[in-house]
Amino acid sequence: SQQGEEDPQALSIQEGENATMNCSYKTSINNLQWYRQNSGRGLVHLILIRSNEREKHSGRLRVTLDTSKKSSSLLITASRAADTASYFCATDEGGANSKLTFGKGITLSVRP
Amino acid sequence: KAGVTQTPRYLIKTRGQQVTLSCSPISGHRSVSWYQQTPGQGLQFLFEYFSETQRNKGNFPGRFSGRQFSNSRSEMNVSTLELGDSALYLCASSTQAYGYTFGSGTRLTVV
Repeated sequence: SQQGEEDPQALSIQEGENATMNCSYKTSINNLQWYRQNSGRGLVHLILIRSNEREKHSGRLRVTLDTSKKSSSLLITASRAADTASYFCATDEGGANSKLTFGKGITLSVRP
Repeated sequence: KAGVTQTPRYLIKTRGQQVTLSCSPISGHRSVSWYQQTPGQGLQFLFEYFSETQRNKGNFPGRFSGRQFSNSRSEMNVSTLELGDSALYLCASSTQAYGYTFGSGTRLTVV
């Protein structure tokens, strides 16, 4: 079953613009992670944010987490054509039930 | 450090056959988990192994099984293949500190 629900399902922007993707989830979590996938290949880990963190940065990526609203957002600044991919949020409840529960993903197209 | 290695990359099998997929985790990682990705169901958790023991299992039929060896390498097996088993199977190795690293996956096609 899906835990995370990303929004929007598809996003098309111009190179240089910022892309914002949102994720909502249902249960308490230990951490939330964002992944990128190019053309049905393996998942590339982008960033992990723990439940006691509110914001994290990594290069052009900024992730926020609001545990009271059970939501997260991923911001990619100054997008490039190479950012074209599917993006997934995944939650991990931690402990004995540690596993990733993924959303359906967001398809991002960056036009050159 | 070598990443997570999955073999084979592509596989075509006939309905009713069985298949074994292999995953070699990052050196030092003791946890290996498996996920199935299909267009209809998305990414779904299959199972996780830690130190040769299955620690967690998803909602898949008993035809899906796995194991982990003493060197942390893991295999998953699907018996009596069905057309709906066609999917990208992803393996990930993980640690508490650094989270999950995924392999490139095995694309299984059942005909």
